[in-house]
Amino acid sequence: DAKTTQPPSMDCAEGRAANLPCNHSTISGNEYVYWYRQIHSQGPQYIIHGLKNNETNEMASLIITEDRKSSTLILPHATLRDTAVYYCIVRVPNNNAGNMLTFGGGTRLMVKP
Amino acid sequence: EADIYQTPRYLVIGTGKKITLECSQTMGHDKMYWYQQDPGMELHLIHYSYGVNSTEKGDLSSESTVSRIRTEHFPLTLESARPSHTSQYLCASSEWGGSYNEQFFGPGTRLTVL
Repeated sequence: DAKTTQPPSMDCAEGRAANLPCNHSTISGNEYVYWYRQIHSQGPQYIIHGLKNNETNEMASLIITEDRKSSTLILPHATLRDTAVYYCIVRVPNNNAGNMLTFGGGTRLMVKP
Repeated sequence: EADIYQTPRYLVIGTGKKITLECSQTMGHDKMYWYQQDPGMELHLIHYSYGVNSTEKGDLSSESTVSRIRTEHFPLTLESARPSHTSQYLCASSEWGGSYNEQFFGPGTRLTVL
């Protein structure tokens, strides 16, 4: 799996958009970008994933650059409940390693009133 | 809403005790996983399973063992708990196939060994 680099922490004002970057410069052509988040003391929660097109769901939007070497997760209107650690993971789905997820340090997002 | 359950949620035990952490899912997923996470630290995969009678060790070495006798059940056992086993243990499951590949996580078991 390609390695990812994320800033260790970010702050965001409540109601504003939170833009969380992720660098994955060694991503290969068949690797997808996945985002999970972990709210304190809970299990991680899937947010969104994409291959090369931008994706949007009820939780967030994922913007992947044309060269696929970086991506940005956007929470359009951050709330206090979005305070969590956000993990960017790059991997090939259903590879021989059995769909394991390799979690790095993630970005600790603090949404402030 | 994920249908994956872990019991107990919190466990405080003495050194040398044998413990089993339970994990069950009702989604019919073939793949299941155990992760270990120390407070404020990264998650590390310690065990996974492709299906019934399949168990594999993960990236992080662990003294725990797992079994997969039924699809829905993936218990983790520590034969003799030690203070170094104090951690949070997270169970997850996923389907086989497709790009979706979402893993559903349970709420975790926070284990403290005195």
